[in-house]
Amino acid sequence: KAGVTQTPRYLIKTRGQQVTLSCSPISGHRSVSWYQQTPGQGLQFLFEYFSETQRNKGNFPGRFSGRQFSNSRSEMNVSTLELGDSALYLCASSLARTSGGVPDTQYFGPGTRLTVL
Amino acid sequence: LAKTTQPISMDSYEGQEVNITCSHNNIATNDYITWYQQFPSQGPRFIIQGYKTKVTNEVASLFIPADRKSSTLSLPRVSLSDTAVYYCLVGDIISSGSARQLTFGSGTQLTVLP
Repeated sequence: KAGVTQTPRYLIKTRGQQVTLSCSPISGHRSVSWYQQTPGQGLQFLFEYFSETQRNKGNFPGRFSGRQFSNSRSEMNVSTLELGDSALYLCASSLARTSGGVPDTQYFGPGTRLTVL
Repeated sequence: LAKTTQPISMDSYEGQEVNITCSHNNIATNDYITWYQQFPSQGPRFIIQGYKTKVTNEVASLFIPADRKSSTLSLPRVSLSDTAVYYCLVGDIISSGSARQLTFGSGTQLTVLP
């Protein structure tokens, strides 16, 4: 079974621009989460989508947004880019079981390296 | 979400067994313990998950004492390719609606030497 895929793998933008990142979850996975990883802040949760709805959101400004499509694929958008947005953006998918008591395992993609100049 | 504490770094030699301990004193009754491995510029990779006692899979073992306030990831006979950052996470389904938010700590940088 193919893993989580993210496109593009690398991206260079300038301040003020906007960017859209794409994530295709593992087949059958219904939940997609996004994380930002920087050397200073580590891995931080951005938001999670399930059934095309945002279920949970981390502590990031409104410039960071996302959406999920009916096929569970997800996109993340960052508007008005700042230098501090340079990071590795990671997408993770999970089955999103809603019963059984055992938490879902999240599987991560390779990430998109965004550089803001 | 329970806070975790891990050593910042560890060194080992090829062929040795490595044990990385994680403290999680305020773990909740419903919390599970999960470990991830991350190589530079790659996404974290799930290693193992457990609730109590011992869990073993093809790559690692996870030991959890009865009080569950700590856990130990055991990697048997490490190789150079096991050099990575290892994260311990504690958490459960968020009560707000089956969503799960992973909170990563600083992790442990394991360096395997020849």
